[in-house]
Amino acid sequence: EVQLVESGGGLVQPGGSLRLSCAASGFTFSNFVMSWVRQAPGKGLEWVSTITGSGGTTYYADSVKGRFTISRDNPKNTLYLQMNSLGVEDTGVYYCAKLGEPDWGQGTLVTVSS
Amino acid sequence: QAVLTQPSSLSASPGASASLTCTLRSGVNVGAYSIYWYQQKPGSPPQYLLRYKSDSDKQQGSGVPSRFSGSKDASANAGILLISGLQSEDEADYYCMIWHTSAWVFGGGTKLTVL
Repeated sequence: EVQLVESGGGLVQPGGSLRLSCAASGFTFSNFVMSWVRQAPGKGLEWVSTITGSGGTTYYADSVKGRFTISRDNPKNTLYLQMNSLGVEDTGVYYCAKLGEPDWGQGTLVTVSS
Repeated sequence: QAVLTQPSSLSASPGASASLTCTLRSGVNVGAYSIYWYQQKPGSPPQYLLRYKSDSDKQQGSGVPSRFSGSKDASANAGILLISGLQSEDEADYYCMIWHTSAWVFGGGTKLTVL
């Protein structure tokens, strides 16, 4: 059974940093492109970033480019999202997902507030 | 103009059919894309429903009832999620998604009310 379990969310002040993790199991992690998607309270889904299976290619939404960094540790079956220079507009639930496939995590809440 | 546009809300009666549209921006040709559909209920992550590119290139999500189906309307440059035999549990938000210019793009979502 595929499992994606996010962690690392929490309350952070504007301008602060946070690193999210997503522990994957039940599939050959290195074979799959992985993504982060976020959802602000009461709003729709917003794609954040995607990384290829090898980690060699990354893609970012314009709204986070230069502030967020996606990475992965294939031997540890873990996906990461390093978030810097956080603003209130980054508040929301962050999901780890195999986009284009059925598998999503349950999400981790990031709150940026003073 | 957004790449993908969905009506913000739609209402339909139990047992009826609902057609949810996902209109691609002018210049973004629906025929070239696989359109993915997700269902999201409050407090839960999105659930994959299906992928549709053409009648010969489509994928139904595991366990997703056949009353959920995908299609395209080329004249409207839109993807369509058809839900037949509506049930109360179909009440949810529905999102379309495509991979476009090296980015995943979501539509704004349609809130489907079954009443």
